[in-house]
Amino acid sequence: EIVMTQSPATLSVSPGERATLSCRASQSVSNNLAWYQQKPGQAPRLLIYGASTRATGIPARFSGSGSGTEFTLTISSLQSEDFAVYYCQQYNNWPPYTFGQGTKLEIK
Amino acid sequence: EVLLVESGGGLVQPGGSLRLSCAASGFTFSTYEMNWVRQAPGKGLEWVSFITGSGITIFYADSVKGRFTISRDNANNSLYLQMNSLRAEDTAVYYCARGHLAVDAFDIWGQGTLVTVSS
Repeated sequence: EIVMTQSPATLSVSPGERATLSCRASQSVSNNLAWYQQKPGQAPRLLIYGASTRATGIPARFSGSGSGTEFTLTISSLQSEDFAVYYCQQYNNWPPYTFGQGTKLEIK
Repeated sequence: EVLLVESGGGLVQPGGSLRLSCAASGFTFSTYEMNWVRQAPGKGLEWVSFITGSGITIFYADSVKGRFTISRDNANNSLYLQMNSLRAEDTAVYYCARGHLAVDAFDIWGQGTLVTVSS
């Protein structure tokens, strides 16, 4: 099973600033990685797939990069609605699909 | 509008059973792979089960294998999860999630249904 590790667990950033979230895989997942956003009381929402492709309707301020074992989600200029928990997920070697433990992005 | 709506959650005693349903609308259900993903209170996401559009290929997480059964009814645009021999650690919000057509990410999620296993 591939273990996904996200860092940091909590990230405090001011509105308008850039946020950088990291995700590491225990072995290569090529570019078969997705990012999800989850707000309190809501279901997750797909943001990025293929490590860098934005899903339908996702604003351009969200960008993904990386391949192999190291991945990054960048939010270029934080809006109030972006404060949430973010999860990475690998779909290269499955079953099982595996998720990271999440990074909580909070307002500084 | 593409929509997934789960139902069937509730309180059940350890060792009991529950059947979750997921009603799909707004897309050609039979074309898509479907999944169940759960989230224990205050915890992260855990993939539970997968089924192809035809229902022929099925996978389970080790934590539920032998106890849970995924199925689908394409004529009625519905996905199911039969959960038997429930344990306290199965307590979670259960989401149905649609597989993206091009990649194995989950592009549409339902709002979730809460399953609580407790005596």
